[in-house]
Amino acid sequence: GQSLEQPSEVTAVEGAIVQINCTYQTSGFYGLSWYQQHDGGAPTFLSYNALDGLEETGRFSSFLSRSDSYGYLLLQELQMKDSASYFCARRDSNYQLIWGAGTKLIIKP
Amino acid sequence: DTEVTQTPKHLVMGMTNKKSLKCEQHMGHRAMYWYKQKAKKPPELMFVYSYEKLSINESVPSRFSPECPNSSLLNLHLHALQPEDSALYLCASSPATSASYEQYFGPGTRLTVT
Repeated sequence: GQSLEQPSEVTAVEGAIVQINCTYQTSGFYGLSWYQQHDGGAPTFLSYNALDGLEETGRFSSFLSRSDSYGYLLLQELQMKDSASYFCARRDSNYQLIWGAGTKLIIKP
Repeated sequence: DTEVTQTPKHLVMGMTNKKSLKCEQHMGHRAMYWYKQKAKKPPELMFVYSYEKLSINESVPSRFSPECPNSSLLNLHLHALQPEDSALYLCASSPATSASYEQYFGPGTRLTVT
């Protein structure tokens, strides 16, 4: 299988750090992408990890461990505008994106 | 220019109507995608065009008909839709299908079928 699992909802406080986890099945794995989608908006590409390790882009970082079939998105210095749904996604052998169900991030003041 | 545009933003159509959704990108991308997204669900892939040729059709009903007139444009023709087809229709592009991990999405067309 090629499914991905991520928590349905995560709650955090403004200014804090939050981690959104994603586990996947290893069959035909090429890399893990992360997308952000605000309510009523379109998905926006955040990051892609093909190799193990941490990729940092400003307040957002993404991590991959291929040996553990696991990745996460780390958001630092949370702002209210970070309230959104976050999707992990993997590319399959046909170059299609297989999406996780999404994690709704709720940020409280 | 890193923008994908879609028209119209909203569309209400009856089950006997024929309408078209339009998508345009000027990033020189050679892969373009149509997705359908229901509320609180991830995007669901419908079609993939690679170098203006249909490469993937995810068993989509024939009442949805895609068209790629040139490398910048993608259309989705709609005919005899059902109420359950009401959803957000998203267009996306990537430099190539091999770079499908990084897709740029348009704002979507919110479709309501009455």
